[in-house]
Amino acid sequence: KNEVEQSPQNLTAQEGEFITINCSYSVGISALHWLQQHPGGGIVSLFMLSSGKKKHGRLIATINIQEKHSSLHITASHPRDSAVYICAVSRGAQKLVFGQGTRLTINP
Amino acid sequence: NAGVTQTPKFQVLKTGQSMTLQCAQDMNHNSMYWYRQDPGMGLRLIYYSASEGTTDKGEVPNGYNVSRLNKREFSLRLESAAPSQTSVYFCASRVLQGNEKLFFGSGTQLSVL
Repeated sequence: KNEVEQSPQNLTAQEGEFITINCSYSVGISALHWLQQHPGGGIVSLFMLSSGKKKHGRLIATINIQEKHSSLHITASHPRDSAVYICAVSRGAQKLVFGQGTRLTINP
Repeated sequence: NAGVTQTPKFQVLKTGQSMTLQCAQDMNHNSMYWYRQDPGMGLRLIYYSASEGTTDKGEVPNGYNVSRLNKREFSLRLESAAPSQTSVYFCASRVLQGNEKLFFGSGTQLSVL
């Protein structure tokens, strides 16, 4: 079993829908990152969370440390949100463990 | 302020050829990383460097060498390329103090024929 599991692996939705991507982890962490990768593109950091909730524009990220679970929400989704979203957890100073990614497609 | 600069963006090699992927960051970060990304596998750590002059193996170090000669630059070398090294490679740096944040280079798409 992977240390970091994301669900769903693939998600297709219509423009305007509310999107939720989940990340569960099985080990103690110091921080959790949500990353975005557009097709053929580089990887951009969206959020770093160690507790609670963060919001940036239409994106909201939450983490529940006790349940070892994080969610990334996108409100009023748009085709430009189509990308792969990757969850990564920090375990100590050097180790980062990545989820497999969730491929999101938003249709107009 | 360019962040993480990675070159080249694309490379095609023949089996047995060598090449070096270059990575530089201008954010004064101590930690730098090399990852490879393969379909269905996610990002896998090849090597990392906690500080200038130190390097350590990650999950998939075989066939690679790295060099961290100064704080800015962390290069990845393939001495004798193999088809199994066909992948997309990403360099990254991380700040650990305070508000931890990850920064990635734009990636190198490498094909080994």
